Amino acid sequence: KQEVTQIPAALSVPEGENLVLNCSFTDSAIYNLQWFRQDPGKGLTSLLLIQSSQREQTSGRLNASLDKSSGRSTLYIAASQPGDSATYLCAGNTGTASKLTFGTGTRLQVTL
Amino acid sequence: EAQVTQNPRYLITVTGKKLTVTCSQNMNHEYMSWYRQDPGLGLRQIYYSMNVEVTDKGDVPEGYKVSRKEKRNFPLILESPSPNQTSLYFCASRLKGYGGELFFGEGSRLTVL
Repeated sequence: KQEVTQIPAALSVPEGENLVLNCSFTDSAIYNLQWFRQDPGKGLTSLLLIQSSQREQTSGRLNASLDKSSGRSTLYIAASQPGDSATYLCAGNTGTASKLTFGTGTRLQVTL
Repeated sequence: EAQVTQNPRYLITVTGKKLTVTCSQNMNHEYMSWYRQDPGLGLRQIYYSMNVEVTDKGDVPEGYKVSRKEKRNFPLILESPSPNQTSLYFCASRLKGYGGELFFGEGSRLTVL
């Protein structure tokens, strides 16, 4: 059974700092991995999707990597801004690829 | 605008009173799914549907029912709600059953007294 872990559970950084969020998974037979952002009381917004054949994806200041052999994915946020404050979740598609397993998220606060 | 729409967004009900949370998507997606989100437990899948008339259990299906009679709609039914079903519920969809980007609705916060 796939288990997805995100450490740390919470992170506070000053504006402008580059930061890395970590996501670990136990089953390397992962079909793809998706990063989401969740604002308080809101739904999840998809940030990046990395297919199993890819090693990374980039969108603006965000870069996500996937290393299946080590069971890790990282989300890199460059030049963080207060508007980046949110909870970031990773989720992996495994097995039949119809099932998505979520991590419990990292709550990020970017301070002025 | 492409979106997944859930209703109601907020609901307070009492134990045993049947309720339905509707979910509709306008993206012609084949795959739809329901999740619940609880503090410390993260998002857990309740049911999913690979296409019309095809549904299957997720991790926590007990106490829930679903149906997929039309491609765009995937209602979640609580036949006899109990307090342990108090949670934040999300509907999601994606183009195909396997892989691909998942799109979420805004969520439905349900309280069962």
